Amino acid sequence: DAKTTQPPSMDCAEGRAANLPCNHSTISGNEYVYWYRQIHSQGPQYIIHGLKNNETNEMASLIITEDRKSSTLILPHATLRDTAVYYCIVRGNSGNTPLVFGKGTRLSVIA
Amino acid sequence: EAGVVQSPRYKIIEKKQPVAFWCNPISGHNTLYWYLQNLGQGPELLIRYENEEAVDDSQLPKDRFSAERLKGVDSTLKIQPAELGDSAVYLCASSLVMNTEAFFGQGTRLTVV
Repeated sequence: DAKTTQPPSMDCAEGRAANLPCNHSTISGNEYVYWYRQIHSQGPQYIIHGLKNNETNEMASLIITEDRKSSTLILPHATLRDTAVYYCIVRGNSGNTPLVFGKGTRLSVIA
Repeated sequence: EAGVVQSPRYKIIEKKQPVAFWCNPISGHNTLYWYLQNLGQGPELLIRYENEEAVDDSQLPKDRFSAERLKGVDSTLKIQPAELGDSAVYLCASSLVMNTEAFFGQGTRLTVV
């Protein structure tokens, strides 16, 4: 079972920041937070992951709370092409922990 | 660099018929996954390979599903016989090693009629 809770859907105006929340209150110390997204009719695409510190790459920023029980994925300037389902996944770093997807958040970017 | 390649993209078959899906992972990726995705749901793991060894097939319905990864590169997933409930998208993914980011193919959409 997925270890995360996400809102089923969100809207965001084009050009504005999209902030996608995720709750993972049962996360353990060696588990990472991963984000993937899935654009319609495509396979999931890796976005970013982190353990404790905030992370940023060319696609997004990941803000993890100090207690690690929740995180936020930030798309700084959302475009129409960012419309997708976004999955927040908690994953251990041992040798036997596959990605376990929940239902994700359907983000609609509106012109 | 080519991504994960899956074929066919779409397949329509009658129930009780066999069907096979093919996946070519990214070159050099040792870990290969097959996922099943039902409409409106997130992907669910069916089987994971480390090279040619299936290290996690606990979610694979072995009465009708089978998979192989000969020589630790390409993989095939087979269903025989297919049932109406098998209609879904079958996704293949690969990663360099376990617990690094996985790269997904576009999937095969199976419709069983």
